[in-house]
Amino acid sequence: GAGVSQSPRYKVAKRGQDVALRCDPISGHVSLFWYQQALGQGPEFLTYFQNEAQLDKSGLPSDRFFAERPEGSVSTLKIQRTQQEDSAVYLCASSSRGQPQHFGDGTRLSIL
Amino acid sequence: QKEVEQNSGPLSVPEGAIASLNCTYSDRGSQSFFWYRQYSGKSPELIMSIYSNGDKEDGRFTAQLNKASQYVSLLIRDSQPSDSATYLCAGGSYQLTFGKGTKLSVIP
Repeated sequence: GAGVSQSPRYKVAKRGQDVALRCDPISGHVSLFWYQQALGQGPEFLTYFQNEAQLDKSGLPSDRFFAERPEGSVSTLKIQRTQQEDSAVYLCASSSRGQPQHFGDGTRLSIL
Repeated sequence: QKEVEQNSGPLSVPEGAIASLNCTYSDRGSQSFFWYRQYSGKSPELIMSIYSNGDKEDGRFTAQLNKASQYVSLLIRDSQPSDSATYLCAGGSYQLTFGKGTKLSVIP
């Protein structure tokens, strides 16, 4: 497809489980971003990749959050030992150099 | 702490009217500003980008940027019920800082 693709669209996990969220950016986009959006709030920055390099991870809320983009294309956001406060929509965005970010449909994560 | 402030609304306008959405930001170093539209349960969709002082028009949408006042606005002319959504203002270079969004309702 032409847009940013995220999977799964919905994920329900029990507290303490590990989850992995996938993002497939627009083909050719070197920049990839992860955001977290709580209900009624704007997206909040988590981390940024340029190709395979993670250039900024200042927004990751704890060391339970880990992101990778090993081949400079698909990215995975992993959350270990999930907590209820991790429940949110996780958005992935990609962009060409110097161009605006385009978002995927997100993964809605619910922690029970 | 970089902040982007928006009135959360809801903002209600009648169909055909002009909707005016406003945003202020704290980071004077921000060079790029964006308006995204987000329908309930959907992802943010880019509406406008603006990088320099003044107005930028695209169809029914006009974005305005005033860096001295640290103020960004979006005007929607001839508002349609399909424009009903939450409008997110964002600023930054690579790392975008978003406001909480303004919910717009266009009443038929």
